[in-house]
Amino acid sequence: GESVGLHLPTLSVQEGDNSIINCAYSNSASDYFIWYKQESGKGPQFIIDIRSNMDKRQGQRVTVLLNKTVKHLSLQIAATQPGDSAVYFCAENPLTGTASKLTFGTGTRLQVTL
Amino acid sequence: DAGVIQSPRHEVTEMGQEVTLRCKPISGHDYLFWYRQTMMRGLELLIYFNNNVPIDDSGMPEDRFSAKMPNASFSTLKIQPSEPRDSAVYFCASSTVGGYNEQFFGPGTRLTVL
Repeated sequence: GESVGLHLPTLSVQEGDNSIINCAYSNSASDYFIWYKQESGKGPQFIIDIRSNMDKRQGQRVTVLLNKTVKHLSLQIAATQPGDSAVYFCAENPLTGTASKLTFGTGTRLQVTL
Repeated sequence: DAGVIQSPRHEVTEMGQEVTLRCKPISGHDYLFWYRQTMMRGLELLIYFNNNVPIDDSGMPEDRFSAKMPNASFSTLKIQPSEPRDSAVYFCASSTVGGYNEQFFGPGTRLTVL
């Protein structure tokens, strides 16, 4: 029979508009979060990170917002371009006693329409 | 810098055969991670090393999987014997400061076990 895989939520955005990708994380003790971008056939690529002592961090065209109260992370992309089309993952450091272990979310597919 | 290098990029093998995946981390990075990505389970951490020593292998699926890091510039992930359910994309990543710095991913090895 047909295998059931992860259903990736998809966000369709028109070129030039702003994109907002959301992520709910699981561990209230996590203190480090990263957003990765994965293009088809490639490995995940770092976009931006944020520590839990911050609410907001800005990069080039990207902003990450962290709401620890509701365990929510968002990635905002300004003036979305066709090259932004990819799957975006959030990752958290769940602080399992080993600082290096990241847990990745299931991802969101961003489709940029012309 | 050449980035994280993985070989082979594609591997097709038959059930029961031994498979060895290879990784060269970025020079100077002291952490190395092996991940597996499937449609069913997303991106999963299998094992990671710090200064060539395995730190956490709790993600390794079963005894058929083993990983080694004989020196700072080389690591292998071996599957023996391979099974069709091992079919996935395997990524290697490296970083400099544990989970508090970005992990740089390689291009991945797409493994197909027939």
